[in-house]
Order: sequence, then structure tokens, then C-alpha cells
Amino acid sequence: DIQMTQSPSSLSASVGDRVTISCRASQSINTYLHWYQQKPGKAPQLLIYTASSLQSRVPSRFSGSGSGTDFTLTISSLQPEDFATYYCQQSYIKPLTFGGGTRVEIK
Amino acid sequence: QVRLQESGPGLVKPSETLSLTCTVSGGSISNSYWSWIRQPPGKGLEWLGYIYYSGSTNYNPSLKSRVTISVDTSKNQFSLKLKSLTAADTAVYYCARPQGDHWFDPWGQGTLVTVSS
Repeated sequence: DIQMTQSPSSLSASVGDRVTISCRASQSINTYLHWYQQKPGKAPQLLIYTASSLQSRVPSRFSGSGSGTDFTLTISSLQPEDFATYYCQQSYIKPLTFGGGTRVEIK
Repeated sequence: QVRLQESGPGLVKPSETLSLTCTVSGGSISNSYWSWIRQPPGKGLEWLGYIYYSGSTNYNPSLKSRVTISVDTSKNQFSLKLKSLTAADTAVYYCARPQGDHWFDPWGQGTLVTVSS
């Protein structure tokens, strides 16, 4: 199985901060990498697909980059509604696997 | 806009079989893949498997043949069966639609299943 490792596992940030979350795959996955946001008690919601494509209705402050084994989710200016847990997911090889999550908390 | 809704028991006994159904509304179940994903309390996400509307399936090997996913196109539903349950199967179970290169969108709201006697 492909292991997905996210870092950090949690971070504290302030409204307006630029936030970067990393996701590393245990082997190359090309750009078969997707990002989700999950708020407490809710289902995950797709933010970014195939590493850098913004899902419709997702604010442009979210962006994704990377290919191969190293990927990044960036929030350019953190908003109050962005405090949540973020997960990456690979779909290059089955079984489909997720990262362990990065919790973004209010500083 | 396609919406998904899970249904099934919230409490199941150890060694028994869990049965959940996902109802698709706002669109047809045809010509698409459909998937189950779970999340133990306070933990991360685990993909269980998916089914194509025609009935072909792909499962996570970690479940060691305990899982079966089926589809009923006449009811616009697909289902999950997970047998030989243990406490480790306690989780929120989500249904979701894999799209494109198998990213998931949309998701159902999730249903908590507790395995306990």
C-alpha cells in the first residue's frame, strides 16, 4: 500500500496567516493526489483534485501543488471558516489511501 | 445536484454483520462508481471499496474478504455488508462518489456504527 504522511499533524495559526500543509507519498503517485477539508461532525469536502485543480465553489485562497511524492496545500490568507482538519488522498494505486490529517487550530 | 444518504443500524453486536445502504438522489446511479469510506472516532479515513453501477467491485485488501458492496439500480441505492464485526469496526461510515481519477465528491453525511454487546 502507498503510505501518505502529512505534516504537521496540527498547527496553530491566526486569521490572515498563510498556511502550508505537506503531504508525502511513500512512492511516486504522479499527480493523483487530492485534498479534503473536514469540520467537526461533518463529512469531508473536496477542495483540490489532481494536485492542483480547484474544486468548483472552493475559494481561490486554497491552492495545491506538487507531483511525484511531495505535495502542498496552501491557504493564502486563513479565514475563520478554515479552521478544520485537512486530509490528502492518493488514487494512483489501489487501495486508495489517505494521510493522517492536519488539524488547523486558532492561535 | 447528486446527494447521498446513509441508512442502517447504529448499534451492532460483535461477530455479527453490518448492513448499510446509501441512497442516491438528484441523479442516476448509472454510469458511475460508488464507494464506502469509514472513520473511527478521532481517527483518520479508510477506504473500504467501490462498485461500478454494472456491479464490478474493488475492495481494500485490509478487510480480508469481510466486505461486500452491492448495487440496486432500480432503487438508486448501493449497500455495504461487513461481517465478523469487532470493536475495531466502530466508526462513522460514509458513502461517497469517486469521480475522475477517483477523488471523492460528494459524500453522504455519515452514520455512526458502534460495535458493542
